[in-house]
This record gives sequence, C-alpha cells and structure tokens, in this order.
Amino acid sequence: KNEVEQSPQNLTAQEGEFITINCSYSVGISALHWLQQHPGGGIVSLFMLSSGKKKHGRLIATINIQEKHSSLHITASHPRDSAVYICAVPTQGGSEKLVFGKGTKLTVNP
Amino acid sequence: GAVVSQHPSWVICKSGTSVKIECRSLDFQATTMFWYRQFPKQSLMLMATSNEGSKATYEQGVEKDKFLINHASLTLSTLTVTSAHPEDSSFYICSATAGTEYTEAFFGQGTRLTVV
Repeated sequence: KNEVEQSPQNLTAQEGEFITINCSYSVGISALHWLQQHPGGGIVSLFMLSSGKKKHGRLIATINIQEKHSSLHITASHPRDSAVYICAVPTQGGSEKLVFGKGTKLTVNP
Repeated sequence: GAVVSQHPSWVICKSGTSVKIECRSLDFQATTMFWYRQFPKQSLMLMATSNEGSKATYEQGVEKDKFLINHASLTLSTLTVTSAHPEDSSFYICSATAGTEYTEAFFGQGTRLTVV
C-alpha cells in the first residue's frame, strides 16, 4: 500500500512570497493529485498529473516519477491562498482508490 | 470543471438516530463514487467505494451495517449513518470519477456531522 509524506506540515508566508510544498510517495503510480481544502472543509482538485509539469494561474505542479516526488509551487502568494494543501496518490498501481497525505497548512499573511 | 454536490453541508442529530448524506454528480455520469471520513487534524480516510448498481466495497474496519451506501444511479450515491453515536461525529466527504485511474476525481463540499 502506498504511503504519502508531505512537508512541511505548516507553512507561514508573507504575501508575495514563493511557496513550495513537497510530497513523496512509496509505490510507483500512474497519476498524483493535488487538492486544496478550505477552512470550511470543502475540497477542490487543483491538479492531476502523471509526468512533467502543469501550470494553472499562479499554481505550478511538478512530478518526478523516478524519484517518487512531487512539488506544488505557488508564485506571488496571496492571503486567499491560505488553505490546507493535500497530495493524494492511488493506494496501489491501477487503483482508483486514493491515499492522502496529512496536508500542509498554509497561512499567507498580508 | 465537473461539479459534485453534497448535501447537507452540516447536520446535528441525536444519538441513536440515522442521518442520510447525498452525493450527486451534476454534469457527468459517475461510474464510481468514494466516501471518505476526516477526523480533526487527520488526513482523509477512505471508507468505501461504490459502483452504480452494485454493493459497495468497504475498507477494513468500516462497519457496512452502520454506514449504508446506496449508488442507485450514475449521478447519485447516498451514505446513511445508522444509529449514530457521538464518536461518529466527523467530516464526511464524497468524490466521484467518471472512469479509470487516469480520470480526475471531483469532490463534494463535505458534510460536518455532529452527534449529540
């Protein structure tokens, strides 16, 4: 069964700073998900990626399949980016079931 | 993007009563829906997987008689917490996919259940 490690657990930044959140997993996968959970609990899917890099606005996600590692970057961070960011991977190859990291709580101060 | 609607967003119920949570895919047919539970400061944990028209598959340690899942159509799955106890108080969230492992998962807004 896949295991997911995220770092850091908590991150505080000043508005405008460049943010990096890391995710490592133990078993080879087909695709990795980055999710955003707001204080109310609702979850938004940010990215699903299986190789290389994806960009959406100020968010960039990269993945290195060989190293079993992914990063989520936020450029020009803003207080509205404050949320918990979670990475999720299939429990095992070919599975639709996801196992989730514990999340990184990001606080961006104005 | 695709939308998954979960209802209610919060509910308070008395011990011993049952609570039903609905998860609907609004603009796509969800072949598979997943139900998760999240306790405070914990990660999301998969409870069960449901496929339309068949019995749900429960994860180890999840009581299928307590957490009844029905996936009667390609756009609706329901989770019923039966004989609720205070320890069932948690955040329940569903997700839906339209197909294979390469398909993006779309999440509902979640339901905050408090059993008093």
